[in-house]
Amino acid sequence: GNSVTQMEGPVTLSEEAFLTINCTYTATGYPSLFWYVQYPGEGLQLLLKATKADDKGSNKGFEATYRKETTSFHLEKGSVQVSDSAVYFCALSDPGRDDKIIFGKGTRLHILP
Amino acid sequence: GAVVSQHPSRVICKSGTSVKIECRSLDFQATTMFWYRQFPKKSLMLMATSNEGSKATYEQGVEKDKFLINHASLTLSTLTVTSAHPEDSSFYICSARDMGQGLYRNTEAFFGQGTRLTVV
Repeated sequence: GNSVTQMEGPVTLSEEAFLTINCTYTATGYPSLFWYVQYPGEGLQLLLKATKADDKGSNKGFEATYRKETTSFHLEKGSVQVSDSAVYFCALSDPGRDDKIIFGKGTRLHILP
Repeated sequence: GAVVSQHPSRVICKSGTSVKIECRSLDFQATTMFWYRQFPKKSLMLMATSNEGSKATYEQGVEKDKFLINHASLTLSTLTVTSAHPEDSSFYICSARDMGQGLYRNTEAFFGQGTRLTVV
């Protein structure tokens, strides 16, 4: 079945450091890929998405490229801020399988000032 | 973006009682809503898919008699935790898709703010 694997956390970085959170997926069809962010005490917000191979999603300085050949959707940001501290979830939805959104386990990110 | 409102945000109940959680899409219609459960420091586990006007589809291992889902209208789905026990304490999150955005696969899912259930 479909699944999402992302790097274990927590990830602790200093402000202005470069961020990469790895995400790989398994899907039988042609899924859409997402990154969601959950700030402390809040629900989930869509951070960015990509719906086909080689698409790049971007938002708030974050980027992720849909790589079909490596089944990956790694999240990157060139210079993180303290306000980026949150839990980040990689997710996919596959229209060939009920279009449910399947999440990775989440990666907690701590940014130190 | 579209708004999904979940109520209540927090609830404490006694063991053996039932609790109802509401999920409303405020400015769009959602034929399908999803209910998730989030365990501490873990991912969101999809519990069930709620379909307007029909029975919910439950994921493997989720007790349908314990977690009752009703999707009575295009803007409201409810999750009732029946005969709650301390092990049901968790963070429950609903999600809905805006059917008005064209191709289904291109629509993002909007999430409620979650409900923290504590069973004592």
